Amino acid sequence: EAAVTQSPRNKVAVTGGKVTLSCNQTNNHNNMYWYRQDTGHGLRLIHYSYGAGSTEKGDIPDGYKASRPSQENFSLILELATPSQTSVYFCASGDAGRSSYEQYFGPGTRLTVL
Amino acid sequence: AQSVTQPDARVTVSEGASLQLRCKYSYSGTPYLFWYVQYPRQGLQLLLKYYSGDPVVQGVNGFEAEFIKSNSSFHLRKASVHWSDSAVYFCAVSVGSTGNYKYVFGAGTRLKVIA
Repeated sequence: EAAVTQSPRNKVAVTGGKVTLSCNQTNNHNNMYWYRQDTGHGLRLIHYSYGAGSTEKGDIPDGYKASRPSQENFSLILELATPSQTSVYFCASGDAGRSSYEQYFGPGTRLTVL
Repeated sequence: AQSVTQPDARVTVSEGASLQLRCKYSYSGTPYLFWYVQYPRQGLQLLLKYYSGDPVVQGVNGFEAEFIKSNSSFHLRKASVHWSDSAVYFCAVSVGSTGNYKYVFGAGTRLKVIA
């Protein structure tokens, strides 16, 4: 069964600190995505990747970096965390061929920046 | 620009009643359309999807949706809701090319089913 896992599940960070959110998928999908979810906005795309070594900016990339070192792993990096980045973050994987454009979502990471 | 509009932020229905959640999209290409459901403290799960063919598609747990191209709509329906259907529902359109695609999501509709 398709599986996307995220770590940590909960994180409290201080303003100005560095935060790394990790995502792992065992679906062998080429594409991976990072979203944030805030009330009233639904899910907004931060960064995405079409394969190992590639990253693309999504709709709200400012303040975030991404890294895709392998097919399975995709990280979201907040170099200087701010309270406005307090949110729930979701990772997803998908593949036009293997998953017919469906995206499989992880359980989410709740980030609080104080 | 691509967009998805779910005009109802919150919907409350009685158990056993019928349901329609509205979704309208804006996309100049061929729309691949999806409905996802999110239960509390969980990620999103696929309910149903439309690529082509029969405009009425069936999903899990008795949900269905109808693609109306002339109206750019993809409304979700269920004939009889159950209390366990209480959740947040998201409509999405896939945009881009085959290997280079991403989703545009609506803001979601929070469904509450009451006794």
